[in-house]
Amino acid sequence: GQSLEQPSEVTAVEGAIVQINCTYQTSGFYGLSWYQQHDGGAPTFLSYNALDGLEETGRFSSFLSRSDSYGYLLLQELQMKDSASYFCAACISRGSTLGRLYFGRGTQLTVWP
Amino acid sequence: NAGVTQTPKFRVLKTGQSMTLLCAQDMNHEYMYWYRQDPGMGLRLIHYSVGEGTTAKGEVPDGYNVSRLKKQNFLLGLESAAPSQTSVYFCASMYRTRKGNEQFFGPGTRLTVL
Repeated sequence: GQSLEQPSEVTAVEGAIVQINCTYQTSGFYGLSWYQQHDGGAPTFLSYNALDGLEETGRFSSFLSRSDSYGYLLLQELQMKDSASYFCAACISRGSTLGRLYFGRGTQLTVWP
Repeated sequence: NAGVTQTPKFRVLKTGQSMTLLCAQDMNHEYMYWYRQDPGMGLRLIHYSVGEGTTAKGEVPDGYNVSRLKKQNFLLGLESAAPSQTSVYFCASMYRTRKGNEQFFGPGTRLTVL
């Protein structure tokens, strides 16, 4: 089966840096995505790693190590508005079909003033 | 450009009733998906479609049916609703970008089955 593990909760203060880890066990894996979801809202795409290494998008960075089946999302200069749930999702291929996502259970990030 | 829209936003059903959830996207995306989200469970794929007229099962397809008669629409049907189907349902669509597979989500449908 497919499984992704990430911490259920993380807390930090404004201005700090926080890292959310994700380990995965999947077949057909070809990339790792991260999504943000505010309470009551729709998930929104943050980043995607197809290759090992770091991808940077503003205050957010995402890392992937295929050999370790591990990735993380790094959030810098935390702001109150970053309080949300963060999901890692493994991108899976099945034969010629790409684009299926298996989601982790999500990490609730709370940013304190 | 409305993106991904879902109808209805809220619904309460009695056990055994049927209903259809409608998802529409105006981005000309080939791939469309239906997920359910339950507390502490993340998002689980119900069914998906890689193009008009094609559908496939996801992780939790039992009790649901889908149809993709038009490229822009993806319908999710519950033939005989059960309390276990109380959930938030999200539709998503996707195109493949240079940076990978970004899925665009609708606002969700909150369904309660009594």
